[in-house]
Amino acid sequence: DIQMTQSPSSLSASIGDRVTIACRASQTISSYLNWYQQKPGKAPNLLIYAASNLQSGVPSRFSGSASGTDFTLTISSLQSEDFATYYCQQTFRTPYTFGQGTKVEIK
Amino acid sequence: QVHLVQSGAEVKKPGASVRVSCKASGYTFSTYYLHWVRQAPGQGLEWMGIINASGGSATYAEKFQGRVSMTRDMSTTTVYMDLYSLTSEDTAVYFCARANYFDPFEYWGQGTLVTVSS
Repeated sequence: DIQMTQSPSSLSASIGDRVTIACRASQTISSYLNWYQQKPGKAPNLLIYAASNLQSGVPSRFSGSASGTDFTLTISSLQSEDFATYYCQQTFRTPYTFGQGTKVEIK
Repeated sequence: QVHLVQSGAEVKKPGASVRVSCKASGYTFSTYYLHWVRQAPGQGLEWMGIINASGGSATYAEKFQGRVSMTRDMSTTTVYMDLYSLTSEDTAVYFCARANYFDPFEYWGQGTLVTVSS
């Protein structure tokens, strides 16, 4: 199975901060990397697909990038509604594995 | 618009089985695969398997092989996930999600809480 390692597991940030979350795949996954936001009691919500493509309706402060097997989600200016847990996911090969999640909390 | 509506919460005893349903609407059912993902309390997301809504074939994560069955009913555009021999470790919210191979999970059901307790 492809292992997805996310870091950090949690972070504290303030409104307006720039936030970056990393995700590393244990083997090549091309650009089949997606990012989701999940709020308590809700299903995950797709933010970024294919490493760097912004899902329709998602604010432009969210962006994704890739370098080999390393992927990054960036929130350019954190807003109150962005406090949530974020997951990366590879859809290169089944089983479609997720990272362990990054909880973004208010500082 | 696309909707995936799941069945309600379940409480089961250890050793029992559970069936969770996911009714799809708003698109041509046979043109997409559906996945099942679960999330234990306070934990991350775990992919369980995928079913071809057209042909009905399914592929399961090795962890669930022999203990899970995913089926579909084209007449009601519903997919089902059966999980057998439940233990407390199966207590989780179960989600269905629509996506073809390689694609992101753009649409999700609302989730179904399955509680396994004696």
